[in-house]
This record gives sequence, C-alpha cells and structure tokens, in this order.
Amino acid sequence: ETGVTQSPTHLIKTRGQQVTLRCSSQSGHNTVSWYQQALGQGPQFIFQYYREEENGRGNFPPRFSGLQFPNYSSELNVNALELDDSALYLCASHPLAGYNKFSTDTQYFGPGTRLTVL
Amino acid sequence: GQQLNQSPQSMFIQEGEDVSMNCTSSSIFNTWLWYKQDPGEGPVLLIALYKAGELTSNGRLTAQFGITRKDSFLNISASIPSDVGIYFCAGANTNAGKSTFGDGTTLTVKP
Repeated sequence: ETGVTQSPTHLIKTRGQQVTLRCSSQSGHNTVSWYQQALGQGPQFIFQYYREEENGRGNFPPRFSGLQFPNYSSELNVNALELDDSALYLCASHPLAGYNKFSTDTQYFGPGTRLTVL
Repeated sequence: GQQLNQSPQSMFIQEGEDVSMNCTSSSIFNTWLWYKQDPGEGPVLLIALYKAGELTSNGRLTAQFGITRKDSFLNISASIPSDVGIYFCAGANTNAGKSTFGDGTTLTVKP
C-alpha cells in the first residue's frame, strides 16, 4: 500500500451534475497530481497542486477544478458532468522542492475513484 | 500535445518466456518511467530512467532510456503468473507528477 487514499471508491452521477472527489496524500508529500483514466487507456494528467497552488495543468476544460488544503490533501471537482467523464480518477502524491523544480522523486498512486456518468 | 505510442497492445505468453515491450514518443523526455497496474489499483512504479542511454534493472525487469530520448523499452525475463497485468510507459520532464502515459500493454501469462 502506498499511503495515498481516495474517496469515494465508486460514484454514479447523472449528466449535468457536479462531483467532488477526495485524496489524502502520503505522509511527507506536499504535491498531489490528478489523472483521468478512461477504460482501456493510460492515465491522462489533469493538474498538479503544490503547496495549495496549481502547478501545471493538462488539456482539460475549466469545469475540472481542484483544491489543495494545508495538510496537502486535495479535491477534484468536476462541474456539468458529461458522459465522457466516466473514468477512473487517480491521484498521486510526491515531495517537491518548488514550482517547476526538476525532481526525481517517485509519485505514489491511490487506488482511484470509479466515476460513472449516466 | 505529447503522445506516447506503446506496443504491443497485448501479449499472451507461456510462463518462463521473456517479454519485451516498447514506447516511442514524438517529443523528447527527461525521464522515462515504467509502471504496472493491477485491477482495482493505481499504477505502481517498476523502473525510473533519468539519463539517455541508461540501462536499469529491477530483479527480472530491465529497462532502457533511448539515446534519442524519444523511446524506451522494458524487458521481463523468465515470466511468472504474477507478472500478469497492464504495463504502462510514461514520460516526464520536470517531475513525475506531470507524466504523459502510453495506453498500456496487457500481459497474460499462461502457466
């Protein structure tokens, strides 16, 4: 086990609704990244949070937003859900020395939240 | 944006056989990573590569960072049933948390 936890495990929503997913990072890790993994595909980077600020974003629309709290846990919010948002949402944590600093530290993934949009 | 092409998409092998899979990119990366994902779990890092030309082993696994920085391969020797799973390559530049992933190679090992 990595020490990264996510909740809930599974979630079913309908199109147009909003959802909040939660992630607790591993002890000592100040950075959380969120990924979307559609069925049969690899994870796609959504965004990263370092010390409560967004530190990079992938190719996702603004209705995907996030927060990081002082204890380094994080939330992913998705508004106006679409059918294509159905996926496994993974968070990963690792330590980072600063914004856009190069790091060789490994990221540790949680088990994911399976979101189904009907 | 950056895309990784991972091949083969799937492999069916006998226990004891060696396995090779690779990953190519249209752009360069400073870091290449190989992960394994089991059902119901997040990816787990197998090997990380940080220098072009680097060859790194982790038990029966060996991976290489291509000299052009646009490709990498992973070899598994003497496969065993617990090697079953999905293997992903990923490339990163500043930190692993901003990785670009391939679409995976699904490995099935027949006893």
